[in-house]
Parts: sequence; C-alpha cells; structure tokens
Amino acid sequence: DQQVKQNSPSLSVQEGRISILNCDYTNSMFDYFLWYKKYPAEGPTFLISISSIKDKNEDGRFTVFLNKSAKHLSLHIVPSQPGDSAVYFCAASAPGGSQGNLIFGKGTKLSVKP
Amino acid sequence: KAGVTQTPRYLIKTRGQQVTLSCSPISGHRSVSWYQQTPGQGLQFLFEYFSETQRNKGNFPGRFSGRQFSNSRSEMNVSTLELGDSALYLCASSLRTGAGDTQYFGPGTRLTVL
Repeated sequence: DQQVKQNSPSLSVQEGRISILNCDYTNSMFDYFLWYKKYPAEGPTFLISISSIKDKNEDGRFTVFLNKSAKHLSLHIVPSQPGDSAVYFCAASAPGGSQGNLIFGKGTKLSVKP
Repeated sequence: KAGVTQTPRYLIKTRGQQVTLSCSPISGHRSVSWYQQTPGQGLQFLFEYFSETQRNKGNFPGRFSGRQFSNSRSEMNVSTLELGDSALYLCASSLRTGAGDTQYFGPGTRLTVL
C-alpha cells in the first residue's frame, strides 16, 4: 500500500505563473517531509523540507504547506521558470526519525512553458 | 566539496549473475542509504548504513545486501539477478541520520538485466 501518493503524474504551467504540486500521505506518524527535484540522468536534488510541527516553510520561490488533519502537503513554486521543469518527488520520514529511510511518492513531472 | 559518486554509472548483466555497486559519500558524511528506482514502483528504500552498521532495511529479498566500510564508502550487492532488478540504483549520504539531516543523492547506477 502506497503511504505517500502524488496523484498527478504530470503538470504543465506557463512561465511566471504558480506551480502547485500536491502530495498525500496515509501514515499519521510521519514527522518530516521533503521535496526533491530530479532531472534526467541525475540523482534527486533536495529542495525544501518541513517538520510536522510546522504548517509552512518558505525558501525563495519555493514554499511547502503542510495540512496534518488532511494528511496533505503541497509545494508552491512562484514564479515558475523553464528551468524548474523536472520530476518532483515528495518524501516522508519513516517513524523513528531516521532520515536514512525516506518513503517517496512516484513523482510529478512539471513542465514550465516559456 | 565533491558530491556523492557512484560507480559504475551503467551496467548490463544477464539473469543469474551477481553485481556489486559502489558508492562514495560526501566527505564527512557517515550515513549512506540505497534506493531502487523503477518506472512502476518509483523510489524504494533498500537499506541504510551508519558507521558500518545497517540501521534500516527495506522490503527487499535477501538477494539484496550491502555493507559500509570504515571510510563510509558503501557497496551493495545483488545476487542471482532477475529481469525485474533492472532499475536505477541511487545512493544518498548525510552527515548523521536524524531528522533534519538532508540526504544528498548520487547520479545513480543504471542496471540492465537481460
């Protein structure tokens, strides 16, 4: 059973607009969430994270929102740029706090059109 | 600072053979994790090592094994290869293994089993 779900396999956005990537999880014990970006032929690159004690974390153009009651998090990118085109993975830290065991969603491919 | 390096980058094997993949973490990082990425299953956790000890193991058969050396370099081994083992194998390193310790990924080893 998938514990971290990204229900949209792909998303297309116009340059300069907001990109919103969504992620749902089922395990209420998850205590840390992360977003990674992946270009073809490269490993995932860490973008931003959020602890379960917060509901928002912002880093430049990237903001992650966490809604614990809905078991939902989202990544907002504003403004979107063509270089943001990549696959975005949502990940959660397994109970126990070990960051070495991340549970990933299957990814959303973002295309930002000029 | 050099990133995570993985060797080889590409590998072709036949069913029944065994394979060893290598990962060199970022200097100073003591935690190394391995993940398997396939189109159908996404990124799945294999195992995590910290200071030469396996801390966590994912839900993979015993054909998958790993180890970590005193210099934090890690290897993973897959014995009796099956067609379904064809995947991108990613290694990630972090300073420690607690919440908040970002994992940095290598470019991966693309394994093809014929």
